[in-house]
Amino acid sequence: EDKVVQSPLSLVVHEGDTVTLNCSYEVTNFRSLLWYKQEKKAPTFLFMLTSSGIEKKSGRLSSILDKKELSSILNITATQTGDSAIYLCAVVDGSSNTGKLIFGQGTTLQVKP
Amino acid sequence: GAGVSQSPSNKVTEKGKDVELRCDPISGHTALYWYRQSLGQGLEFLIYFQGNSAPDKSGLPSDRFSAERTGGSVSTLTIQRTQQEDSAVYLCASSSMGSSGNTIYFGEGSWLTVV
Repeated sequence: EDKVVQSPLSLVVHEGDTVTLNCSYEVTNFRSLLWYKQEKKAPTFLFMLTSSGIEKKSGRLSSILDKKELSSILNITATQTGDSAIYLCAVVDGSSNTGKLIFGQGTTLQVKP
Repeated sequence: GAGVSQSPSNKVTEKGKDVELRCDPISGHTALYWYRQSLGQGLEFLIYFQGNSAPDKSGLPSDRFSAERTGGSVSTLTIQRTQQEDSAVYLCASSSMGSSGNTIYFGEGSWLTVV
């Protein structure tokens, strides 16, 4: 059964810390991996990764995919209280044309002042 | 529209009643998804529409759940004879199909409470 596993499930840090969130996957027909940030109800898109070893950056956030290890990491440097959220990793299932997303459980990040 | 629009944003209904949740995807997006997120749980896939193809209904939890998409745009998720375990946030998402993957954009969700 295809699955996506995130770790840790929750994390508490202080402002200024750097955090690394992990996502590993077992998906028969991998197409791409996406990271989302969920603060209230709707997840907001962060990154889409399709190629191994190419880092994507957006401000203090960066992410990279390792297809050999079937994993991805999301890094947040100089964390701020506004980074507090659930971070979701999802893999696009390419086994059909549906592009269905398989989500991990999420990592709940709390950044304390 | 500029983003995925869902309505209502909040709905409280009595057990046994039917509810309809509406989703208006981003203009030009051919793919539309419904997901459900219960309190403290991950996102659960419900149903997927792509153009005129038959929808992928593999995630619908029971025959009380159904969805349609008229004219390839707006979608309605219907839950009949609601139960308390149906209480959740129902998220709609849309995307345009790409060759290497999809960037899927979510609406704000409809928070359903069954009392």
